[in-house]
Amino acid sequence: DVVLTQTPVAQPVTLGDQASISCRSSQSLVHSNGNTYLEWYLQKPGQSPQLLIYKVSNRFSGVPDRFIGSGSGSDFTLKISRVEPEDLGVYYCFQATHDPYTFGAGTKLELK
Amino acid sequence: EVQLVESGGGLVQPGRSLKLSCAASGFTFSNYGMAWVCQAPTKGLEWVASISTGGGNTYYRDSVKGRFTISRDNAKNTLYLQMDSLRSEDTATYYCARLGGDYWGQGVMVTVSS
Repeated sequence: DVVLTQTPVAQPVTLGDQASISCRSSQSLVHSNGNTYLEWYLQKPGQSPQLLIYKVSNRFSGVPDRFIGSGSGSDFTLKISRVEPEDLGVYYCFQATHDPYTFGAGTKLELK
Repeated sequence: EVQLVESGGGLVQPGRSLKLSCAASGFTFSNYGMAWVCQAPTKGLEWVASISTGGGNTYYRDSVKGRFTISRDNAKNTLYLQMDSLRSEDTATYYCARLGGDYWGQGVMVTVSS
């Protein structure tokens, strides 16, 4: 199974700061059709996960442009510029290239 | 408005069965692959199973293969998860989600305990 390793486990931030989360895969996430099915989700306390980014760098509808996904192959990053209060929660990367699909363990974005 | 509403959770003894349902509305259900994702208390997300639009292709995480069955009824706009031979480690909130992750239900709790 594909293992997604997220770092850091927790990211303390001050509002207005930039935050960066890494997601490294145990194998390439490039599908045989050429697409890379790497997604990013945010789960706020007591809520269902919400999609932020799909196929590495595409923002889902309504997601602010301060969320930027990048990367290729097996190395991916989510950057959040100018962190706002509603950005706090746990971020997960997820791969849907290889069966079984897998999530990273999560990164908690929290206030310093 | 897209809505996914799970039901069928509860407390069940180890070894017993439970069937979850997910009622979909606000979109053409038969056009979308669907999935179940779980989250044990205070833990991270785990993909459980997914199913293609017509139901002909299903995929499972290793720990539930042979015990869980994902299915769908496109006439009823409903997704199911039949959970057999339940174990304590299956205790979690179960979410249904549209493949692609753009819409999720609110989740339903399953507790496996004697």
